[in-house]
Amino acid sequence: TQLLEQSPQFLSIQEGENLTVYCNSSSVFSSLQWYRQEPGEGPVLLVTVVTGGEVKKLKRLTFQFGDARKDSSLHITAAQPGDTGLYLCAGADSNYQLIWGAGTKLIIKP
Amino acid sequence: DSGVTQTPKHLITATGQRVTLRCSPRSGDLSVYWYQQSLDQGLQFLIQYYNGEERAKGNILERFSAQQFPDLHSELNLSSLELGDSALYFCASSPRTDNYEQYFGPGTRLTVT
Repeated sequence: TQLLEQSPQFLSIQEGENLTVYCNSSSVFSSLQWYRQEPGEGPVLLVTVVTGGEVKKLKRLTFQFGDARKDSSLHITAAQPGDTGLYLCAGADSNYQLIWGAGTKLIIKP
Repeated sequence: DSGVTQTPKHLITATGQRVTLRCSPRSGDLSVYWYQQSLDQGLQFLIQYYNGEERAKGNILERFSAQQFPDLHSELNLSSLELGDSALYFCASSPRTDNYEQYFGPGTRLTVT
């Protein structure tokens, strides 16, 4: 069974700090997606990474796909309260089924 | 707004009852996915339909069933409801069958009392 492990499970930091959250697996994925979910709402797709070593930037968010396409990281620079939410990663396996991580709950305190 | 609509937004019902949740995908999307999310839990994939046919099954209970209609909207039927079925139920759609990117609806919050 393929698993995607996200760490940390919970992170609470002050506004302006930097942070990195991780999404790790022993399996190779054809692509990996990051979503952000706010309480009571559906997840919103942030980015899809496809190529090993790929780096994508979305304003203050930087996403990286591992060279072996088994892991990914999300780095947030100068976190803002609006970044608060549950960050979910999801990897597409060889059968194009999405494997979901359990998420990192991020709280940015003003 | 993702373009995916779900109704109803909230649903309160009693144990043993049956409910139907409805989802309309984004215009042009052929794939519909259903997920369950319990309080402070991750997403649990239930089932996927593509252009009217079941494509993949996840951890869906036998008491639950779904279908996708010719107009591509989908319904999730939950029967013999138990307290543990209380959760947020999300529908997502995608233009392709390969899970490349999914767009989620606002969810239906089901409370079983």
